[in-house]
Amino acid sequence: DAGVIQSPRHEVTEMGQEVTLRCKPISGHDYLFWYRQTMMRGLELLIYFNNNVPIDDSGMPEDRFSAKMPNASFSTLKIQPSEPRDSAVYFCASTEDPDRAYEQYFGPGTRLTVT
Amino acid sequence: DQQVKQNSPSLSVQEGRISILNCDYTNSMFDYFLWYKKYPAEGPTFLISISSIKDKNEDGRFTVFLNKSAKHLSLHIVPSQPGDSAVYFCAASAEGGKLIFGQGTELSVKP
Repeated sequence: DAGVIQSPRHEVTEMGQEVTLRCKPISGHDYLFWYRQTMMRGLELLIYFNNNVPIDDSGMPEDRFSAKMPNASFSTLKIQPSEPRDSAVYFCASTEDPDRAYEQYFGPGTRLTVT
Repeated sequence: DQQVKQNSPSLSVQEGRISILNCDYTNSMFDYFLWYKKYPAEGPTFLISISSIKDKNEDGRFTVFLNKSAKHLSLHIVPSQPGDSAVYFCAASAEGGKLIFGQGTELSVKP
């Protein structure tokens, strides 16, 4: 298996633009997580899905952020409009076993820079 | 507020010596704790975990200790190797498989 796939790996955009980050989880994994990594706060959970349904979005910073999972093999995280403080590395992770859901497999991340 | 804290942003250790990374948490309801390791330009990878009913778990050179009364856990790496140089994240498992991570500690192991 190729592991969790994220695209793009790097994104540079101007303030006010819409940004869409993409994730393909490992096949068969029913849980999908979106995280954001910053120096100050480390890894923060933004939202997670189980069987394509959002379970907990309490970590989503504000209404500018939205996430979807239209099918078991694809998820998007959208920021509209983007702001400089959104600059961070965004990770997607997945796991298959609800009893060991805490052992998550991470993608390589998308480094977002908003100027 | 941070429920999981790693107060040391960096640690430098000589090759062959012990590395000790520390983590504190605030929620006594956490039932599982994990350490993840992250190399530059890669995603974090699972390293070792411990259940809240145990106080020690060992896997090769890596040992995690849990002190529930102090709400503290630590990761020991013995002996440390240059390839261990990475950022280490402590995490706690909350309801539904949700992980709450600390800020990370960057370990540098010098030859």
